[in-house]
Amino acid sequence: EPEVTQTPSHQVTQMGQEVILRCVPISNHLYFYWYRQILGQKVEFLVSFYNNEISEKSEIFDDQFSVERPDGSNFTLKIRSTKLEDSAMYFCASSYRGRTEAFFGQGTRLTVV
Amino acid sequence: DAKTTQPTSMDCAEGRAANLPCNHSTISGNEYVYWYRQIHSQGPQYIIHGLKNNETNEMASLIITEDRKSSTLILPHATLRDTAVYYCIVRLGAQKLVFGQGTRLTINP
Repeated sequence: EPEVTQTPSHQVTQMGQEVILRCVPISNHLYFYWYRQILGQKVEFLVSFYNNEISEKSEIFDDQFSVERPDGSNFTLKIRSTKLEDSAMYFCASSYRGRTEAFFGQGTRLTVV
Repeated sequence: DAKTTQPTSMDCAEGRAANLPCNHSTISGNEYVYWYRQIHSQGPQYIIHGLKNNETNEMASLIITEDRKSSTLILPHATLRDTAVYYCIVRLGAQKLVFGQGTRLTINP
């Protein structure tokens, strides 16, 4: 069964460093998303991406965040200068069309120290 | 904010049907009801979705009331592996998924 793959599963970084979280969405999917979940809190939407551009973003997704689809398979989330409060699980998701169900990866646990 | 109301927690015996309710009294005509679950800290897992009619797949059944103001997710024969947080989400078209606190379902042996 096709699945969304995220790497790495766990990333530890120092405050102020840049991190790139990587995702391989399901191959025929056209819509891509990033969500995050701070420990013990709700899953929060960050950004959606379609046709090589951001279609929607939340207030969390400020200038420190960016997304890219550098080739036909990868979808990345970059945090330019990490803060302690960026520590969270980051989930990538994809859907075939915007109106169809989204499938999530297993997440990357980002720990900023 | 999430437009749904769910009980904070529920228990169910293994092998029995688990019925998870959700209220969405302000749902509009074009909004779908989606159910996801999250096992421990894993990624949310899609379960089922529907608009008006009842839906069934290999995981669960979704019963939506005629006025569409509430719905029930049914896991017909719950197992220990169904222990998870279940999220009922109302979504219009390609909108983002807005997760609430969900229902923490515990399946007891």
